[in-house]
Formats: sequence, structure tokens, C-alpha cells
Amino acid sequence: AQKITQTQPGMFVQEKEAVTLDCTYDTSDQSYGLFWYKQPSSGEMIFLIYQGSYDEQNATEGRYSLNFQKARKSANLVISASQLGDSAMYFCAMIYYGNNRLAFGKGNQVVVIP
Amino acid sequence: EAGVAQSPRYKIIEKRQSVAFWCNPISGHATLYWYQQILGQGPKLLIQFQNNGVVDDSQLPKDRFSAERLKGVDSTLKIQPAKLEDSAVYLCASSLLTVTRTDTQYFGPGTRLTVL
Repeated sequence: AQKITQTQPGMFVQEKEAVTLDCTYDTSDQSYGLFWYKQPSSGEMIFLIYQGSYDEQNATEGRYSLNFQKARKSANLVISASQLGDSAMYFCAMIYYGNNRLAFGKGNQVVVIP
Repeated sequence: EAGVAQSPRYKIIEKRQSVAFWCNPISGHATLYWYQQILGQGPKLLIQFQNNGVVDDSQLPKDRFSAERLKGVDSTLKIQPAKLEDSAVYLCASSLLTVTRTDTQYFGPGTRLTVL
């Protein structure tokens, strides 16, 4: 079974600074995908970034980048130049293409302060 | 492009009552998912449809939860009768296909259910 671990406590980040959110996963599968979603207080899950297990380069999407270390089974999210609107819960998730089930971690709370 | 629509946004009921949630996925998305998100946790998959067929309902409490997607588009999730522990946000998501490596799930705003 897939397992996603996000253990950081709530984080306060100064506006315009970078923040790294940790995510480790446990799987014996070779073909899988890793996602990060943002969930603001409104409740909607917003897709941020995707990394495939066979992708050789780290994924980037605007201010978001994913630090993928396959051997260590980690997929940390880096948010550069934090903005007040980045305050939210951030969820790491993994999909195994054998059953297409998306498994989520428990999330990281980020609060950006001016 | 319109996103995933859900209604209602909020619902308060008493235990043992029934409740239904509605979801309209992104146009053209064949796969639809219902998740339950309890406060302080990540979403948990309840059921997955591909078109109007069930792909995975292994985590759906079938004694009280039911879901359907009759015409392969809209879907409803029902709880009958509700228990206190069903208080959660119910998220609907859709994706284009289930087999491609870049198959991203897009979520709706969710329905926040409170059972008293």
C-alpha cells in the first residue's frame, strides 16, 4: 500500500521568502506519480505540480518546483518568493498507475506573514 | 473552461437523516471521484467512476453510502442514515483518463457536511 508522510508542523513564512515543504513516500512500485495540491480556507483542492517516477528532471511550474529524490523517496515542494495568497494547507499525493488511486498525506499548514 | 461544480456547499443535518450531494465534472472528463476529507486529514477516496461504471468502491461504507453516475456525466453521493462521524468535507474530482502518466485530478469546492 502507498503511504505518504508529511510531518512538519505549521509553518510561518515571511513574504517574499522561499519555503520548502517535506514529503516522503513509501512504495515498492516502479511506476507512479507525485502531486502537490494547495487547499486554501475555501476548501477547494488546487493542483500545483506533478512529477512522474520516470521523469529525470525536477518538475517546475512558475513559483513552484519539486525536489524529487527517487532513491530517498522524497518529493519536497519549494515555493519561491512567497505571497500572502500562498497561505493554505499543502498536500502531497501519490498515484500508483496500477490501481489509479490517489493517496494523500496529512498536509502542511503554511502561513505567509507580511 | 468551467471547473468541477458541487452543490450544496454546506449542509447541516441531524444523525439518522439522509443527505445527497451533487457533482458535475469538467466537460469531457471520463473519470469521476468522490473523496471524504475529515478535519485535519488528507482526502480519502470513497468511489471512482469511469464513465458510468464503478472502477473502485473498496473504501465506500456501503451499508450507508451510495453513489451513482447514470449518464456518465453528473454524479450523486448519498448517505442514509448519517452518523456523527460522517461530518467531513466531501470532495468531487474529475480527470480526463485513468491510464496516462499525466492524468491530473481536478477538484471541486467541496460540500461541508455537519451531522448533529
